[in-house]
Amino acid sequence: NAGVTQTPKFRVLKTGQSMTLLCAQDMNHEYMYWYRQDPGMGLRLIHYSVGEGTTAKGEVPDGYNVSRLKKQNFLLGLESAAPSQTSVYFCASSYAQYEQYFGPGTRLTVT
Amino acid sequence: GENVEQHPSTLSVQEGDSAVIKCTYSDSASNYFPWYKQELGKGPQLIIDIRSNVGEKKDQRIAVTLNKTAKHFSLHITETQPEDSAVYFCAASNLYNFNKFYFGSGTKLNVKP
Repeated sequence: NAGVTQTPKFRVLKTGQSMTLLCAQDMNHEYMYWYRQDPGMGLRLIHYSVGEGTTAKGEVPDGYNVSRLKKQNFLLGLESAAPSQTSVYFCASSYAQYEQYFGPGTRLTVT
Repeated sequence: GENVEQHPSTLSVQEGDSAVIKCTYSDSASNYFPWYKQELGKGPQLIIDIRSNVGEKKDQRIAVTLNKTAKHFSLHITETQPEDSAVYFCAASNLYNFNKFYFGSGTKLNVKP
């Protein structure tokens, strides 16, 4: 099993550009999450999903959108990137409401 | 919302010594407290967790203690090894409102050989 994979690993965007981060899991998990990690701030929940076709806002959802069209995939979109969105993005999945499995992360820089 | 504070931010110990990392939380409804280890360039990995109905849990060299009254929990690593060097995060969550997963700011542990 690959576990949780994220695409791409690195990306540089210019302010105003858009992009989509892809998260895929092969563990048949119902729950999936997107976090951002900034220096000295730990991880903060952006959006999450409790199952295929569902999404909900987390702690810091502004400027991001998500979709869960297939159970195994969770997409994070930035419609108009801003320098404040420079961060490392982690996707996670879990079978129940605990023991989250994290992907390797995507390092995004917005100039 | 929940506020999780983690101390210290950096910790340096000699190989073989013990390491203790402490976290406090503010929401008395929090009932699940995991600890994650993050190695350089990788995603966090769950190493141990504890629920609010348990005061202590141990897994080989690592243990977690929880004081619900004082709203704090701690990670204890005994007989530290160089491979324990990493950033450790605590988190607090409410399993009945599970989207509320709040992380501490992290502790960088350096184990000197």
